[in-house]
Amino acid sequence: DARVTQTPRHKVTEMGQEVTMRCQPILGHNTVFWYRQTMMQGLELLAYFRNRAPLDDSGMPKDRFSAEMPDATLATLKIQPSEPRDSAVYFCASGLITSQPQHFGDGTRLSIL
Amino acid sequence: SQQGEEDPQALSIQEGENATMNCSYKTSINNLQWYRQNSGRGLVHLILIRSNEREKHSGRLRVTLDTSKKSSSLLITASRAADTASYFCATDPSGGSYIPTFGRGTSLIVHP
Repeated sequence: DARVTQTPRHKVTEMGQEVTMRCQPILGHNTVFWYRQTMMQGLELLAYFRNRAPLDDSGMPKDRFSAEMPDATLATLKIQPSEPRDSAVYFCASGLITSQPQHFGDGTRLSIL
Repeated sequence: SQQGEEDPQALSIQEGENATMNCSYKTSINNLQWYRQNSGRGLVHLILIRSNEREKHSGRLRVTLDTSKKSSSLLITASRAADTASYFCATDPSGGSYIPTFGRGTSLIVHP
């Protein structure tokens, strides 16, 4: 079964540190999404890519967050500097086109102390 | 703002009973999708229903869509303890954005 792989699964770090989360989308999928899930806000879309080009990152705090796809097999989400309010579970999902079902990874659980 | 909103927020039933969850949305859609999320895992796609469809089945799942009321329901029949999870609806708004928008989910607990 093809799966979206996210690393690391868990990350605990101190505020001010840089955090990098990685995602390997399913081979052949041309859309990649980054979401953040918290109890308060639910599932928020941070950014999405189509054919490796960023199409929408309006949900992302631009001053500290950045998302890239250096190649078709890797998407990254970076936070620099990290803050305690960034603590959440971050999900990556991939799909064939944006309106069709998305395949989610199991997330990175991030805790900023 | 989130497009789809699930109701109820939480649902607790006994194994063997049916579980019904509802999703309401605000604007016209191309399709609506239901996902399941087990604790500590990512969302898993269950079923997609297009705006021109009224009902769809997949195993023990039945989804209905009423575009006039802007609502959908997910029925799980003969529930099992393994159905314990959170269930989300995602609406794909018409008008060109093509980005599914998720609700906050219904937390379902099925007691054995």
